[in-house]
This record gives sequence, C-alpha cells and structure tokens, in this order.
Amino acid sequence: NAGVTQTPKFQVLKTGQSMTLQCAQDMNHEYMSWYRQDPGMGLRLIHYSVGAGITDQGEVPNGYNVSRSTTEDFPLRLLSAAPSQTSVYFCASSSDRSSTEKLFFGSGTQLSVL
Amino acid sequence: LAKTTQPISMDSYEGQEVNITCSHNNIATNDYITWYQQFPSQGPRFIIQGYKTKVTNEVASLFIPADRKSSTLSLPRVSLSDTAVYYCLVGDRGRAGGGADGLTFGKGTHLIIQP
Repeated sequence: NAGVTQTPKFQVLKTGQSMTLQCAQDMNHEYMSWYRQDPGMGLRLIHYSVGAGITDQGEVPNGYNVSRSTTEDFPLRLLSAAPSQTSVYFCASSSDRSSTEKLFFGSGTQLSVL
Repeated sequence: LAKTTQPISMDSYEGQEVNITCSHNNIATNDYITWYQQFPSQGPRFIIQGYKTKVTNEVASLFIPADRKSSTLSLPRVSLSDTAVYYCLVGDRGRAGGGADGLTFGKGTHLIIQP
C-alpha cells in the first residue's frame, strides 16, 4: 500500500519555467490538498479538492494551478516559476473533507527556483 | 477562528516523559484537537486526536481539561527517534465551515531528545 506518492523528490527550475508536481494516492480518498513549507514555518495550504472535478483555493494560491480529473491524482502546476516559490511541497489526502479525518501526507518535493 | 499556541522548542533526554502543552482559548464546541508529528524531510504524520478528557494510543496520550482551552500531548519514555516537530491543530472553520482546508499548521514545537 503506497499511500500518497509525490514525484519528483527534488527539482531545480529557472525563473519563468513551468512544471508540474505530481501527487497520487491509492486509498480512494475524496479529499486531496497541496501545502508548501518554508524554512522555520508551518505548512500553508495552496489548493485543495473535495473530489474529482472540484477544486478550490487555499491560503496561498497565486502562481499555482490544480486540476482533479481522477480520484487518484491531484497535480500542482507552476505556471511561471519565481524564486519566491522555492519551498518544500507536500501533498495530502483524507477520506473526506472533515477536519477530524486523518490527513495522510506524501514525502514531499523540494523545489528550488533560481 | 480557533488558533493555537505552543512552545517553539523543547529539550529532553531519552527515557523521560515529555509533555507538550497547546493552548486554544477560542476552541469551538464542535472542534476536535489533533496532533501531528513531522520528521525531517518527511510529511507530517497523524499521532492522536481527542475531544475531551483523555485519549491514549500506542504512541501517545492526549489530556484535555474540562474547559478544553488547552491540551497536553504526552510522550512516554522518549527515544532519540522522537526528535521531530509536533503540531497541535484545532478543527477550524474554513471558508465553507469545518473542513480540513481550515486546519492551520503553525510552526509547531521542535522537540529535541538527547542521549
């Protein structure tokens, strides 16, 4: 049982480049979300999805796009990378949107934008 | 919105019991208290959750007083591998109310266990 899988683990981009961070879960979870974590900071919510075809913005959505075409996958797209997007990105999933459900996190993608 | 306050860092030694207290003065009636653990280079992992009194599992205990304005995560007989950041979260009202999207992961408590 793989849980939540994120790829790649590391990525270096140049300013202005675009890329997609992949997230897949095999637990048939309805709720998925993306966070970023900066040094010494907590996790900040970027976007989330309550099911296939449904997405919404979190606390820091600017510069990022998401889509949810299947229950399993929730990719995060950086449209035009900026140095301010250098961070560690975590994907999470849970069985539903309730705040009392366990969140399962991936192992993260460390992104550097030069 | 129910916000939490917890110590930035704590030190302890192997074999000791560690108690991390979190304050949440504005907790709402329907809010639960949840703790996550994060090791370096990993995503957070659920530890324990409770609503009132005491909850215990194989990893930790959670003590919640009657007024629910604070909670204490207790780790028995810690080892070096318990060195991690511990987050206290209170079920918060997101924009649509009560969802995981409303949970706030603050800076957490950095627990350092020494030999």
